[in-house]
Parts: sequence; structure tokens; C-alpha cells
Amino acid sequence: DAGVIQSPRHEVTEMGQEVTLRCKPISGHDYLFWYRQTMMRGLELLIYFNNNVPIDDSGMPEDRFSAKMPNASFSTLKIQPSEPRDSAVYFCASMNFYNEQFFGPGTRLTVL
Amino acid sequence: KQEVTQIPAALSVPEGENLVLNCSFTDSAIYNLQWFRQDPGKGLTSLLLIQSSQREQTSGRLNASLDKSSGRSTLYIAASQPGDSATYLCAVKYGGGADGLTFGKGTHLIIQP
Repeated sequence: DAGVIQSPRHEVTEMGQEVTLRCKPISGHDYLFWYRQTMMRGLELLIYFNNNVPIDDSGMPEDRFSAKMPNASFSTLKIQPSEPRDSAVYFCASMNFYNEQFFGPGTRLTVL
Repeated sequence: KQEVTQIPAALSVPEGENLVLNCSFTDSAIYNLQWFRQDPGKGLTSLLLIQSSQREQTSGRLNASLDKSSGRSTLYIAASQPGDSATYLCAVKYGGGADGLTFGKGTHLIIQP
């Protein structure tokens, strides 16, 4: 298996622009998670899905953030409009039957 | 608030030494605990998963223990190598299993050749 796939790996954008991050989970995993990593706050859970349905989005920082999972093999995290404080590394993870989570390589987002 | 703490924040040891990384959590009602490795600019690699009913797990030179009653886990690395240099993260899953992970801030490990 190719593991969790994320794109793009790096994203540089200007404040106010829309940003879309993409994730392909490991095939057969029913749970998908989005995390954000910053130096100050470490890794934080943003939202997670079970069978494509959002279960808990309490970690989403603001209404500017939204996430979708239209099918079992694809999820997006969108930020609109983006702000400099959104700069971070965003990770997607999927979880197997044994509740072990596997992480993608992350998207490093820089908002100027 | 559920918190996960890792001590020390950084550690530098000569190659060949055995070492222990520590993780503590405030709520003993955990579902499982997972140890990860993160290399600079990279994603997280799962090292070991310990279910709440288990006391330890082993993989090669790595051994992780879990003591729920005291709210502690340790990651033991035997015969350390320069390639072990990385940040090691401890993460706890609370609740009924479907929740996200609560992470510690990590231990930055350097193995000196």
C-alpha cells in the first residue's frame, strides 16, 4: 500500500486567498483525521470522519476552515480566506481496525 | 483538560547507549497509546501501539510499556544508533476508540556517532 497521500506537499499563498489541501487515506480504513502542527501548540486534531461522515469538528479553529469527504478515498481541507496565523503543517491520517493511526507526509502551508 | 507530557524535551547521548523516553498523561481512562517517530520535515511514522489492556509492546530494539494507574508510558531504545536521531511523539486516544489522538510535544533525540 502507498500509505496516506497528501497534496500539495508545500503551499505558499497570500493572505485572503483560498487554500485547498487534499488527502487520500489508506484503502480499507474507515476513519480519516485532519491534524495541524505548529511549533507553539504541537499537533492538534481539527476534524475526523467515519465512513465519509464528519463526526467531530470541534477542533476546527474558525468558520474559515471547512472539510469534506465526498467518498472513501478522498478528503479536502479548505481555508477561506487564509490568514498568516494559519501557517502550519497540516497532516491527514487514517485509522485501521486496531485503532492504529497512520499519517501522511503533511502539507506545509505558508500564508504571507 | 486531557494533557500528555513528554520528558525530557531534548536528549543527546553517545551511540550504543540504551535510553528511555517518558510520557505521562493526566486521565487514566485511555483507549490506547501510540508512539511515533518524526524526522525533520517529514510525517509521523508509527512505532508501537499499546492497547489499554496491554502492559508492553516490542518491535526490534524498541520496547514500550504502559502503566495506566500511574498515567505513564516509557519508550525504551536499546543499543542506540545515529539513525535513531529524530523527534519521538507520544499520543493517547481517549474515549471509545474513535476519537482523535492527544499528542505530547515530543522528545528531540540526538545520537552522537
